Parts: sequence; structure tokens; C-alpha cells
Amino acid sequence: EPEVTQTPSHQVTQMGQEVILRCVPISNHLYFYWYRQILGQKVEFLVSFYNNEISEKSEIFDDQFSVERPDGSNFTLKIRSTKLEDSAMYFCASSGNGRYVEGYTFGSGTRLTVV
Amino acid sequence: DQQVKQNSPSLSVQEGRISILNCDYTNSMFDYFLWYKKYPAEGPTFLISISSIKDKNEDGRFTVFLNKSAKHLSLHIVPSQPGDSAVYFCAVRRGGATNKLIFGTGTLLAVQP
Repeated sequence: EPEVTQTPSHQVTQMGQEVILRCVPISNHLYFYWYRQILGQKVEFLVSFYNNEISEKSEIFDDQFSVERPDGSNFTLKIRSTKLEDSAMYFCASSGNGRYVEGYTFGSGTRLTVV
Repeated sequence: DQQVKQNSPSLSVQEGRISILNCDYTNSMFDYFLWYKKYPAEGPTFLISISSIKDKNEDGRFTVFLNKSAKHLSLHIVPSQPGDSAVYFCAVRRGGATNKLIFGTGTLLAVQP
């Protein structure tokens, strides 16, 4: 079964450093997303990306965050200057047809720890 | 943001019995309702969904019920198996152009052998 792959599985970084989280979505999917889950809290939407541009973003997704699809297969989330409160599990997701919710597939996540 | 609530943080059920997980929402504009299952260190895995035009959807041991007047969603698992032990999230999608999902806080289901 096709899957969404995320690397690394765990990233530890110093406060103020830049991090890039990587995702390989399902190959024929067109819509890409990042979500995050702070420990003990709910999974929260960050951003959606379609046709090489951001289609929607949450209030969490401020100027410190950016997304990119650099080469047609990878989808990355960059945090420019990490803060302690950025520590969370970050999930990438993709879907083939935005209106087909059953095809919305999540990766296993990257645990980001900011120290 | 309390648009989606799962009021039971945990539930314990005996193997073979029914598990009922509940979810309440506030916005009548939501058009799709989903249940995801999540194991530790893994991403959410899609289980079952229902559109706002239906009140029941069944897939094997899993049935989702939607009560629009009460703005209430439930997931029934019958019979429950130890492998069902996981965190269950309900998620909703608002109608219109958005594809984002809004998740509940999750319910930890423990199925005792």
C-alpha cells in the first residue's frame, strides 16, 4: 500500500536554529499538508499546498515557517528559527483529490525536540 | 479552538464487547466526518468516514453514526479486539474550498483480553 514517508523520525535542535523536515508524499497525490501535535494535545493543521503554492494556512504558520516542493517528489517544512514551543510531532499528509477525504494519508511523523 | 471535542480521554473495554467512542462538534457547516486510529510513534491511520448527508456508515467491525441535530458523531467497534487498542481521533472537514481537517483531542481505547 502506498505510504507517505517522513525523515528524520526524530530531530533534536538548539533553540534559534533552522530545521527542515522532509516528506515524500504518495506519488500521484496532488495535495500536501503539514500538521503537528504537541505532546498531549490535539493534532493541528498547519498548512496545505497545491499546484506549487500554499492554498491555506493556520495562524500557527507564521513567518518562521515555510514549505516547498523542491523537486517534484519531496515536500519540506522549514522552521527558520526554532523556539522551545515548536517541540512537537510533525505529520506530513497527502491526498490525491482534495475532496476525497478517504485518501488523506498521513506519514509516521517527525518528532522535533528544541532544546 | 473547541470546534471538535472528545470528552472521554480514555475507555477500557473487554475483548469481544462493543466499544463506543464519541465526538461532539459545534459547526453545522462541516461536510465530512472521519475517524482515525493512531498508535504511538505512528501517524494517524484512516478508519472510516461519513458525509453529512448520511447518518450511518459501516465497514466490517466499524460503524460510524452521525446525529446532525445533536452535532454528535460516534464510532462503534464490534466485536472489540486487543489489536484495536490505540488512540482514536475524530476529525471533521468544513464544507467549501478548504481541505483542512480539524481533529478532536483523542480517546485512548484499551481492549482487555
